Amino acid sequence: GQNIDQPTEMTATEGAIVQINCTYQTSGFNGLFWYQQHAGEAPTFLSYNVLDGLEEKGRFSSFLSRSKGYSYLLLKELQMKDSASYLCAVKDSNYQLIWGAGTKLIIKP
Amino acid sequence: DVKVTQSSRYLVKRTGEKVFLECVQDMDHENMFWYRQDPGLGLRLIYFSYDVKMKEKGDIPEGYSVSREKKERFSLILESASTNQTSMYLCASGILTSGSSYNEQFFGPGTRLTVL
Repeated sequence: GQNIDQPTEMTATEGAIVQINCTYQTSGFNGLFWYQQHAGEAPTFLSYNVLDGLEEKGRFSSFLSRSKGYSYLLLKELQMKDSASYLCAVKDSNYQLIWGAGTKLIIKP
Repeated sequence: DVKVTQSSRYLVKRTGEKVFLECVQDMDHENMFWYRQDPGLGLRLIYFSYDVKMKEKGDIPEGYSVSREKKERFSLILESASTNQTSMYLCASGILTSGSSYNEQFFGPGTRLTVL
């Protein structure tokens, strides 16, 4: 079967760095997405990786290793507004998105 | 900015009622999707559509149907609502592409449906 694994919850301190991991086992791979979802709101797009390596976008970076079936989202200089759930999703061989359950990130002052 | 709107943010219905959830997007996207989101589970695809009057079953279509009469509108129908359909329902739209090209999905604000 297809599976996306992420930690359920993480806690970090304002100003610090946090890494959210995602491992996947899917039938085919056509890219990996990270979305941010604040409580009670819609998910919004953060990043997309299709080739191995690191993609940097401001305070957020996303890494992909296709051979390991692994990605991480790195958040630097954490702010209170970064408190949200972070969703990992893989586009499979049918070009459909397979979603992880999400990681709830709690930022403490 | 892409805008995806859903007809209701909160909805309370009784078991056995027929429920309509409406979704409208304003970016002329070919693809539209209906998901449900439950605590501890990832987004689960109910149905999607890649063109007017076209529909495809997702992972959990049982108990649901959909309608896409116009490109901008995608409706989810619960023929006879049951308590296990209490959930957050999210609509999304996106460009029709294939391969590994980048094609993010844009989400509506969600409808939190409670079936009593």
